[in-house]
Amino acid sequence: QKEVEQNSGPLSVPEGAIASLNCTYSDRGSQSFFWYRQYSGKSPELIMSIYSNGDKEDGRFTAQLNKASQYVSLLIRDSQPSDSATYLCAVKWGGNNDMRFGAGTRLTVKP
Amino acid sequence: ETGVTQTPRHLVMGMTNKKSLKCEQHLGHNAMYWYKQSAKKPLELMFVYNFKEQTENNSVPSRFSPECPNSSHLFLHLHTLQPEDSALYLCASSQIAARADTEAFFGQGTRLTVV
Repeated sequence: QKEVEQNSGPLSVPEGAIASLNCTYSDRGSQSFFWYRQYSGKSPELIMSIYSNGDKEDGRFTAQLNKASQYVSLLIRDSQPSDSATYLCAVKWGGNNDMRFGAGTRLTVKP
Repeated sequence: ETGVTQTPRHLVMGMTNKKSLKCEQHLGHNAMYWYKQSAKKPLELMFVYNFKEQTENNSVPSRFSPECPNSSHLFLHLHTLQPEDSALYLCASSQIAARADTEAFFGQGTRLTVV
């Protein structure tokens, strides 16, 4: 069974702090990893994708992947109130283009 | 229009009704997905179509019937639904590649209420 696990939160951080979001997955055959942001009442939008072990940085966002530990994380530096949303971890397997999501972590950034 | 478009945005239907959800993508992608998002539950993958061929049916009840006439259009036909089927139904598309490294783009979703 292909599973993606996230801490549902809520996670609350003060403005300007670093928010750390974590995700684990069950299938070692997983190939691609994505972080989506979903505002209330809206559809998910892609923030970051990562395919190789290590870190990938894009502006205030850093994705980290450790395939040996089956773990992927998202760091948000200098958090802003506008970052308050639910963050979804997604994992993709190559065979059927199957993409599965975690339950999401709700982040609140307090001014 | 650009991106992934879903219609209708909102739908209220009785348990004996038959309705269809429509999804259209203008991104030139060749894979399309239906997801269900219920309150406080993960996004549930329902169906995957690659090059118009269904490659995934995630144990979805037969009262949900997908149709993919071409790579740009995807339908979800609904009949004799139950109140617990009320949810946000999201369509997504992606580009099939040799590796699985292509992200999915989502439509705005159809908020379905079964009464």
